[in-house]
Amino acid sequence: GEDVEQSLFLSVREGDSSVINCTYTDSSSTYLYWYKQEPGAGLQLLTYIFSNMDMKQDQRLTVLLNKKDKHLSLRIADTQTGDSAIYFCAESISDYKLSFGAGTTVTVRA
Amino acid sequence: DAGVTQSPTHLIKTRGQQVTLRCSPKSGHDTVSWYQQALGQGPQFIFQYYEEEERQRGNFPDRFSGHQFPNYSSELNVNALLLGDSALYLCASSLTGQPQHFGDGTRLSIL
Repeated sequence: GEDVEQSLFLSVREGDSSVINCTYTDSSSTYLYWYKQEPGAGLQLLTYIFSNMDMKQDQRLTVLLNKKDKHLSLRIADTQTGDSAIYFCAESISDYKLSFGAGTTVTVRA
Repeated sequence: DAGVTQSPTHLIKTRGQQVTLRCSPKSGHDTVSWYQQALGQGPQFIFQYYEEEERQRGNFPDRFSGHQFPNYSSELNVNALLLGDSALYLCASSLTGQPQHFGDGTRLSIL
């Protein structure tokens, strides 16, 4: 089945780390993705991880994948005000479609 | 290098009308996917086009149709518009099996 779940809100202080969690259901997903959406804009691809990897680091972003529990997380180090946005977790279903969660709204407070 | 471009950015229609949305893929990409994002929700897959054919379709009625042209650009057509069709329509382009890159979307409002 296809059902991606995320917590809806996260509030974090500027300079702290943010951790956004996601669970997915399709064990055959090839890739798992994190997208960022700012108000009035489309989706920006932040990072992605291949399903046979456990971790991927890209500057301030760290993705952890627990395939056994079908759990994906995104850690943002040194969170800045520009990181305030909605973050979507997505799994690839076959090579064609992406199945998205409802999004986590991250608010960065001074 | 231009990314995915969509037009128009905003559109207002009334119930029963028809609409056409347009998408130009990122340079080098040959696959175009369309998604509908209702307010406060994640995007929902409508369909994907590759080699001018619809390759896969999500759970959307036949009122939603599309086309891909030889230059890989694409159109999404929606007939007999309903109030519930109000949403942000997102186009994404990719090479098959590679990450999808999204445009800024077309905001469609139905009155």
